[in-house]
Amino acid sequence: QQQVKQSPQSLIVQKGGISIINCAYENTAFDYFPWYQQFPGKGPALLIAIRPDVSEKKEGRFTISFNKSAKQFSLHIMDSQPGDSATYFCAASIGGTYKYIFGTGTRLKVLA
Amino acid sequence: DAGVIQSPRHEVTEMGQEVTLRCKPISGHNSLFWYRQTMMRGLELLIYFNNNVPIDDSGMPEDRFSAKMPNASFSTLKIQPSEPRDSAVYFCASGGSGGSPLHFGNGTRLTVT
Repeated sequence: QQQVKQSPQSLIVQKGGISIINCAYENTAFDYFPWYQQFPGKGPALLIAIRPDVSEKKEGRFTISFNKSAKQFSLHIMDSQPGDSATYFCAASIGGTYKYIFGTGTRLKVLA
Repeated sequence: DAGVIQSPRHEVTEMGQEVTLRCKPISGHNSLFWYRQTMMRGLELLIYFNNNVPIDDSGMPEDRFSAKMPNASFSTLKIQPSEPRDSAVYFCASGGSGGSPLHFGNGTRLTVT
């Protein structure tokens, strides 16, 4: 019940296309859902985050869509660029604590 | 802000040797975390500290692993004795209060031969 399931494991998108990464959870106590971006040789860095009181949050080309009833959330990268090529992790936590449960990651490659 | 600083960046050691990984969190952050990343298991939380006190070490895999935080600006993760299956990237992360983002260091890549 503590798992966060992430898909797909890898994704290849053409430049300018839309990248979509999905996550699902079971524990309804989760109330904070961040997405982290990791480049090779670097640590993960916070990209965007959402709380379950909203269904969507947009920051530039990055959007989180949240479906509370389905217990799913997704990251959409619009107009994907080669510089977006990285590994993306979704995560969930309870009560604003930092004890994140991370998804298994999605390796995104954007072709020039 | 120099970010979370980890050392060494790479460590190669032989099975049975002691390994010590070091972390300097961001100044003012009162929470510190050690994670392990592998292809098979992804990002695993090993232990976290709040105000230098270990709060949850349930992720520490075995007694061979130990972590300390003697003060607010320094933490160590020690593996003694090391085994080949400990090979992974170990990340330190720190966070402030009030739900501020978790900041990761650039990790230590550990190889145990």
